[in-house]
Amino acid sequence: AQSVSQHNHHVILSEAASLELGCNYSYGGTVNLFWYVQYPGQHLQLLLKYFSGDPLVKGIKGFEAEFIKSKFSFNLRKPSVQWSDTAEYFCAVSPYGNNRLAFGKGNQVVVIP
Amino acid sequence: DAGVIQSPRHEVTEMGQEVTLRCKPISGHNSLFWYRQTMMRGLELLIYFNNNVPIDDSGMPEDRFSAKMPNASFSTLKIQPSEPRDSAVYFCASRPEMGGNQPQHFGDGTRLSIL
Repeated sequence: AQSVSQHNHHVILSEAASLELGCNYSYGGTVNLFWYVQYPGQHLQLLLKYFSGDPLVKGIKGFEAEFIKSKFSFNLRKPSVQWSDTAEYFCAVSPYGNNRLAFGKGNQVVVIP
Repeated sequence: DAGVIQSPRHEVTEMGQEVTLRCKPISGHNSLFWYRQTMMRGLELLIYFNNNVPIDDSGMPEDRFSAKMPNASFSTLKIQPSEPRDSAVYFCASRPEMGGNQPQHFGDGTRLSIL
């Protein structure tokens, strides 16, 4: 079964700082990749997804992620965070054509005004 | 679009009681998923349905847990009898098709506390 690793579970940074969250997965075949965001007390919302094509994908709210196949990674970035980006961020992986979605443990991000 | 609707939002009950969580998927979505979220284990897939049929229930922790989907617009997750270790947030999600390249849409979750 595929697994997803997210490092640095707790991240604290100031507004305007840059954010990068790492995501590595273990699966040798073609995968679909997702980042979800969960704001305090809310449900998971899709931030961005990669299925094929350009490995640099842009999502909502200024987030982007880069798929590096050779490194089995799908890192999330935002050049300048805002206080409203305080949330938990989950990386998720699904083998192509498979319904199962494997989630990482999440990154708790706190942005200080 | 109403989104995935879950009820109740919060449930507090004593151990040994039966707990029923409900989910209404987005209309037209034919795959439905139940997840459990805890601090220790993160998000775990419990079971998923396609066209109302359970496809994979390997994530269901034990026989105390059961899930049904009697029709395309309703699913339940039942815990009987409940135990304190079942305390978690339970999410329901749906997607338009099985195996396709569509993301899952999540409900607001049910925060369950078993005393």
